[in-house]
Amino acid sequence: AQKVTQAQTEISVVEKEDVTLDCVYETRDTTYYLFWYKQPPSGELVFLIRRNSFDEQNEISGRYSWNFQKSTSSFNFTITASQVVDSAVYFCALSEAQGNNRLAFGKGNQVVVIP
Amino acid sequence: DTGVSQNPRHKITKRGQNVTFRCDPISEHNRLYWYRQTLGQGPEFLTYFQNEAQLEKSRLLSDRFSAERPKGSFSTLEIQRTEQGDSAMYLCASSEEGWDNEQFFGPGTRLTVL
Repeated sequence: AQKVTQAQTEISVVEKEDVTLDCVYETRDTTYYLFWYKQPPSGELVFLIRRNSFDEQNEISGRYSWNFQKSTSSFNFTITASQVVDSAVYFCALSEAQGNNRLAFGKGNQVVVIP
Repeated sequence: DTGVSQNPRHKITKRGQNVTFRCDPISEHNRLYWYRQTLGQGPEFLTYFQNEAQLEKSRLLSDRFSAERPKGSFSTLEIQRTEQGDSAMYLCASSEEGWDNEQFFGPGTRLTVL
């Protein structure tokens, strides 16, 4: 069964600070995708990034970067130089190749960026 | 394309009433998903369609819930005899075929059962 754990609930940072969100996942499938979604106060989930299980190369996309480590089943996400508009709930999610692409979400991290 | 749309955006109903929500996916997407999100939690998978075929249902989807996608385009989610525990945000998402394609979410329908 899929399981995604996001331990922190609310994280507050001062504008321009970096914020890192932790995500730990469980799966029996060897082929899977990991995602990060953002949910601003408006409520709509916005896709941010994804990484498949065969590619552990970490990347940077604008102010977003991620650290995928299969050895520890972690997929951490960093926002660099945070801005007030980054204030939202961030969800880590997992989909398995055997799972019809259904997403299993963590409980989310509420990020508050203080101006 | 305007993305995934859902109607209504908000629904308030009394316990015991039936409600129906609609989802219009991105036009070229043949996969459609329904999720439910309660306060302070991440979305939970309810059901999934590929074209008009409902291929998977979560055990969260009780007998009071039914979903359809009759022509492989829009989908409806009906809840019969609503209970207060049904109060939640109901999210629809669509994607292209293939397990590795990202899902695009609609704005959701917020249901409040009094």
